[in-house]
Amino acid sequence: EDKVVQSPLSLVVHEGDTVTLNCSYEVTNFRSLLWYKQEKKAPTFLFMLTSSGIEKKSGRLSSILDKKELFSILNITATQTGDSAIYLCAVEMDSNYQLIWGAGTKLIIKP
Amino acid sequence: GAVVSQHPSWVICKSGTSVKIECRSLDFQATTMFWYRQFPKQSLMLMATSNEGSKATYEQGVEKDKFLINHASLTLSTLTVTSAHPEDSSFYICSAEGFNEQFFGPGTRLTVL
Repeated sequence: EDKVVQSPLSLVVHEGDTVTLNCSYEVTNFRSLLWYKQEKKAPTFLFMLTSSGIEKKSGRLSSILDKKELFSILNITATQTGDSAIYLCAVEMDSNYQLIWGAGTKLIIKP
Repeated sequence: GAVVSQHPSWVICKSGTSVKIECRSLDFQATTMFWYRQFPKQSLMLMATSNEGSKATYEQGVEKDKFLINHASLTLSTLTVTSAHPEDSSFYICSAEGFNEQFFGPGTRLTVL
């Protein structure tokens, strides 16, 4: 059965800390892995990863994919209260482009 | 965990036809469901919020006569794209609220020729 597992489920840190969010997957037809940030009802696109070992970076956020070990991490450095959100990971299937979603990691940044 | 399914996973239709997409919460009841549209490498765009037994609330710029939403039961919401045109081709995703969380469906790819 195809699945995506995110860890931790919830994380509370202080402003300025660095956090690493994990996403592991088991899918039969992998096409890409996507990271989203959800603050309200509509997730905001962060990264799309297709190749192993190539880090994608956007400001204080970065992400990398390991297709051998079947996981991805999302790193946030120098966290700010505005980073508080649910971070979602989804794997896009190669066969039909459908998405398998992780349960999300709820990140709370305390001032 | 809670599961949300969508059907069909991929539909190809001719311009001018109507297409219905189903969103089901499989093991929980969802009083509220959401419909999104997604373009490649972009954020999900919220189209409408669907509440069981009442009319859907559409986001600004979304034509309610074009995208008909019905939430007839606590486990099923449908999105009908009426008189579909090539510009309606997109990936449509639904989500359902349950256990104070939001669970996303796998999406439906619509291709209008």
